[in-house]
Amino acid sequence: AQTVTQSQPEMSVQEAETVTLSCTYDTSESDYYLFWYKQPPSRQMILVIRQEAYKQQNATENRFSVNFQKAAKSFSLKISDSQLGDAAMYFCAYGGATNKLIFGTGTLLAVQP
Amino acid sequence: EPEVTQTPSHQVTQMGQEVILRCVPISNHLYFYWYRQILGQKVEFLVSFYNNEISEKSEIFDDQFSVERPDGSNFTLKIRSTKLEDSAMYFCASSPRGRAYTDTQYFGPGTRLTVL
Repeated sequence: AQTVTQSQPEMSVQEAETVTLSCTYDTSESDYYLFWYKQPPSRQMILVIRQEAYKQQNATENRFSVNFQKAAKSFSLKISDSQLGDAAMYFCAYGGATNKLIFGTGTLLAVQP
Repeated sequence: EPEVTQTPSHQVTQMGQEVILRCVPISNHLYFYWYRQILGQKVEFLVSFYNNEISEKSEIFDDQFSVERPDGSNFTLKIRSTKLEDSAMYFCASSPRGRAYTDTQYFGPGTRLTVL
C-alpha cells in the first residue's frame, strides 16, 4: 500500500524568506501524481502544485516549486518570498492507479512578520 | 473559475440522527469523491463515484454511509445514524476524468459536521 510521510509537524519562516517543506512517499507504482494542498484556517483544501511522476522537470507555480527526487521517493515544496498569507497547513498527497488521494499528516507553516 | 460548492457549511446534529451533506461538483467533471478530516488529523478518503455508482470505497465507508447523485448537478453523502466519532470536516471533490495518477481533484470548502 502507498504511504505518505511528512516528518515536520510545524515549520516557521520569516516573511520574505524561503522555506522548504518535506514529504516522502512509498509506492511500487510507476505512474502517479504528487500534490501539495494548502489548508488555511478556513479549512478549505486549495491545490498549490502538482507533479507528474514521469516528468523529470520540477513543477513551478509562481513562488512555489517542488524538488522531486523519484529514486529517493522525495517530494519537497519550496516557498520563496514567503508572505503572511502563506501561513496554513500544507498537505502532501499521492495519487496513483486508484481513484483516491492519500494524504500525509500535514505541516503547519507559520509566517513571522 | 468553476468551483466545487458544499452545503451546509456547518451542520449540528444529535447522535442517531440522519444527515445529508450536499455538494455541487464542477459541471463538466465526471468523478466525484468524499473525504473526511477529523479535527487535527489527516484527510482520509471515503468514497469515489462515477457513472452513478461507487467505484471505490474505504473501510470507513460502512453501511451507515451512502452516496447519491439525485440529479444532474448534486452529489450527496448520507449518514444514516450518526455517531459521536462521525464529527469531522467532510470534503467533496471532483475531477474531470478519474484516475488519480492522470487527474487533479478539486475540493470544495467542506462541511463541518458536529454530532452531539
